[in-house]
Amino acid sequence: GAGVSQSPRYKVAKRGQDVALRCDPISGHVSLFWYQQALGQGPEFLTYFQNEAQLDKSGLPSDRFFAERPEGSVSTLKIQRTQQEDSAVYLCASSKSGITSSNQPQHFGDGTRLSIL
Amino acid sequence: SQKIEQNSEALNIQEGKTATLTCNYTNYSPAYLQWYRQDPGRGPVFLLLIRENEKEKRKERLKVTFDTTLKQSLFHITASQPADSATYLCALDQPPGNTPLVFGKGTRLSVIA
Repeated sequence: GAGVSQSPRYKVAKRGQDVALRCDPISGHVSLFWYQQALGQGPEFLTYFQNEAQLDKSGLPSDRFFAERPEGSVSTLKIQRTQQEDSAVYLCASSKSGITSSNQPQHFGDGTRLSIL
Repeated sequence: SQKIEQNSEALNIQEGKTATLTCNYTNYSPAYLQWYRQDPGRGPVFLLLIRENEKEKRKERLKVTFDTTLKQSLFHITASQPADSATYLCALDQPPGNTPLVFGKGTRLSVIA
């Protein structure tokens, strides 16, 4: 497709379960970002890939959060032993260049809404 | 770390008027500042990017200004329409640049017919 695709759109899990969220970026985009967005807040940075290399994971809230992009295209965000505070919308974005992230527009998917019961 | 304040959580204006949204930052002046639009249940959509050495940028009915002295960006929508109703987010980088974007909380704009 032409845009960033995320799946599933909605995910409900019980506390303690593991979840995996998928992101298909725009073909050829070097940079890939994951964000967490709570209700009424702006997106908060989680982690950043340049191709397959995870260059920044400073925003991951705990070691229960893990992201990968093994072939430099599709990325998966995994949350282990989910807790209620993990409930949020998880957004993925991609951009063309990896040289300087802040001068490039980011193209966002519509997110996965995660609810932990 | 960089902190961003967007003027209000919600702004209501009459159709046809100019909407002005404010983005203030507290610490270092960013090299770039970006504005995004977000509709309910959707991801943010990029609108405009302005560089620190640019005072103003325009795109159709949109205008962005950037004042590094005031540490402020203003986002204007002229001749507003109900279809402009959405949440508008500003985002900027942190020094020394090449860092993740920091987003504000957004301002929810409602344009009333």
